[in-house]
Amino acid sequence: QVQLQESGPGLVKPSQTLSLTCTVSGGSVNSGGYLWTWIRQHPGQGLEWIGHIYYDGTTHYNMSLKSRVTISLDKSKNQFSLRLASVTAADTAIYYCARAVWTSGWFDPWGQGTLVTVSS
Amino acid sequence: EIVLTQSPDTLSLSPGERATLSCRASLSLTSTYLAWYQQKPGQAPRLLIYSASSRAIGIPDRFRGSGSGTDFTLTISRLEPEDFAVYYCQHYGGTPQVTFGQGTRLEIK
Repeated sequence: QVQLQESGPGLVKPSQTLSLTCTVSGGSVNSGGYLWTWIRQHPGQGLEWIGHIYYDGTTHYNMSLKSRVTISLDKSKNQFSLRLASVTAADTAIYYCARAVWTSGWFDPWGQGTLVTVSS
Repeated sequence: EIVLTQSPDTLSLSPGERATLSCRASLSLTSTYLAWYQQKPGQAPRLLIYSASSRAIGIPDRFRGSGSGTDFTLTISRLEPEDFAVYYCQHYGGTPQVTFGQGTRLEIK
């Protein structure tokens, strides 16, 4: 059974870069057929797709965040990561990693989520 | 860009009643790319329905997804206390881009 777990700082200063890692167990980020995905949820609000990465390194990002987002793979550690540059308070959110089936794009499973607060 | 509009925003029902949640798309969708999720407080979303009408593993058969084109529905035939939560529809589209509906809160009346 595939499980995902987010990790990273819970507090980031404005203008700095948010960095999170998702560790995958029970499966491999190097296997085809899946999109390794980041999604966020602002406090009390809905879900926002950030972007995803395929096992070959191909990435796609939300157009509204594209200029600030980088998603990368570390196959040796079976992890994928999110970097979001130049953060502001508007980036305060719960960040989830998830796996999507590449042919149909639905998300299962999800990590438990990690709250990142942007504040000085 | 496809917009998903869910209705109602909040639905107040009692256990044992039937719930009907709507997800309307701004453009016609391919059903394969439409999914529904349940989210309880403090938890990550959980996949309920994929490809508009297929139940995910472990999802009770009281949950049913239906629809096509621009109109999709999640029906919960007989509400259990654990079903009160927020429900989201989601579409995976071209480019690719991913869109979520704003959510429907199902609360106990």
